[in-house]
Amino acid sequence: DQQVKQNSPSLSVQEGRISILNCDYTNSMFDYFLWYKKYPAEGPTFLISISSIKDKNEDGRFTVFLNKSAKHLSLHIVPSQPGDSAVYFCAASAIGTASKLTFGTGTRLQVTL
Amino acid sequence: NAGVTQTPKFQVLKTGQSMTLQCAQDMNHNSMYWYRQDPGMGLRLIYYSASEGTTDKGEVPNGYNVSRLNKREFSLRLESAAPSQTSVYFCASSEALGRGQPQHFGDGTRLSIL
Repeated sequence: DQQVKQNSPSLSVQEGRISILNCDYTNSMFDYFLWYKKYPAEGPTFLISISSIKDKNEDGRFTVFLNKSAKHLSLHIVPSQPGDSAVYFCAASAIGTASKLTFGTGTRLQVTL
Repeated sequence: NAGVTQTPKFQVLKTGQSMTLQCAQDMNHNSMYWYRQDPGMGLRLIYYSASEGTTDKGEVPNGYNVSRLNKREFSLRLESAAPSQTSVYFCASSEALGRGQPQHFGDGTRLSIL
């Protein structure tokens, strides 16, 4: 049972436009969420996180939005750049499980010129 | 500053062979983790070590053993490799267990078992 779902396997966006990556979760015990970015043949790199006490967290071009009632979060990248082309993983951890992360299956973002 | 280093990067094994995947971090982190990534699935936690001297099972520990050799090193052993263990294995570390402690990943070991 996939507790963290990224239903879009891929996304293509033009350079300069907004990229929106979505993530849904089913476990109501999840209270901390992270986004990781992964280039081919490299390990995932931490991008941004959000606690369930917030509904938005921003870091430069990256903003994560959390809608707890819908069990949904999204990552916005504005403006998108070619270097943003990568696979993006959503991850979540549950209350009392410390750093044990449950990952989604990833969304491949391609930013075209 | 290398971060998290995994060796080897690639390995092919025959069913039944044993193998140890090595991981070392130079960030003075207390916690370390082993994940596997399979096609169409997210990363799944195999084992983790909250601190030197402790190890705990993750989501998919069967068929694996781990050793936290010291603060820097955390190895993953396959005693009798099976084709179902063909995967990409990632090691990660964080300052400690807990929120706000993002995990830093190595570049992975691609393991094929024939």
